Amino acid sequence: AQTVTQSQPEMSVQEAETVTLSCTYDTSESDYYLFWYKQPPSRQMILVIRQEAYKQQNATENRFSVNFQKAAKSFSLKISDSQLGDAAMYFCAYRSGSEKLVFGKGTKLTVNP
Amino acid sequence: NAGVMQNPRHLVRRRGQEARLRCSPMKGHSHVYWYRQLPEEGLKFMVYLQKENIIDESGMPKERFSAEFPKEGPSILRIQQVVRGDSAAYFCASSYGQRGYNEQFFGPGTRLTVL
Repeated sequence: AQTVTQSQPEMSVQEAETVTLSCTYDTSESDYYLFWYKQPPSRQMILVIRQEAYKQQNATENRFSVNFQKAAKSFSLKISDSQLGDAAMYFCAYRSGSEKLVFGKGTKLTVNP
Repeated sequence: NAGVMQNPRHLVRRRGQEARLRCSPMKGHSHVYWYRQLPEEGLKFMVYLQKENIIDESGMPKERFSAEFPKEGPSILRIQQVVRGDSAAYFCASSYGQRGYNEQFFGPGTRLTVL
């Protein structure tokens, strides 16, 4: 079964600085998708960024980028120029042809002014 | 285009009562997924439905839980004879298609509290 591991229960960053959140996963599939979701205190799940496994180029969305290492099964999220509004729980998720999303336990990010 | 709607947002039940959670997918979406989030945990898959069909219920507890997605109307997650351990946030997501590149859009969740 596929598993997703986030080894950092909590992280903190100073406003305007850069922070990297870690994620590893385990799968025997070759075709899959990886996602980072943000869950603010409102509990709404917001898609931050996604990566197709067949693409070698790392995905970027404005201040958010990923470091996708397929051989190492690693998928980290980098947030540049951190803002107070970035404070939230961040969940790494995996999806293959089985349709369902498999989530990690999350990393709570605090942004200090 | 309205997003995924869930109601109620908060639901309080006493042990032994029934809980009904509703999910209206985004317009044009025919695939619905239910996830449960226990405190301090990530979301865990429960069930995947298309219109009138259950496609994957591998994450559903074998007893007391059921789900449907009728031809007309919202998807319903039903929990019979609730127990304290059912207290959690229940999220619904919908997508246009079933392939991995089709984004799942999440609703705001229903927080169930069992007294």
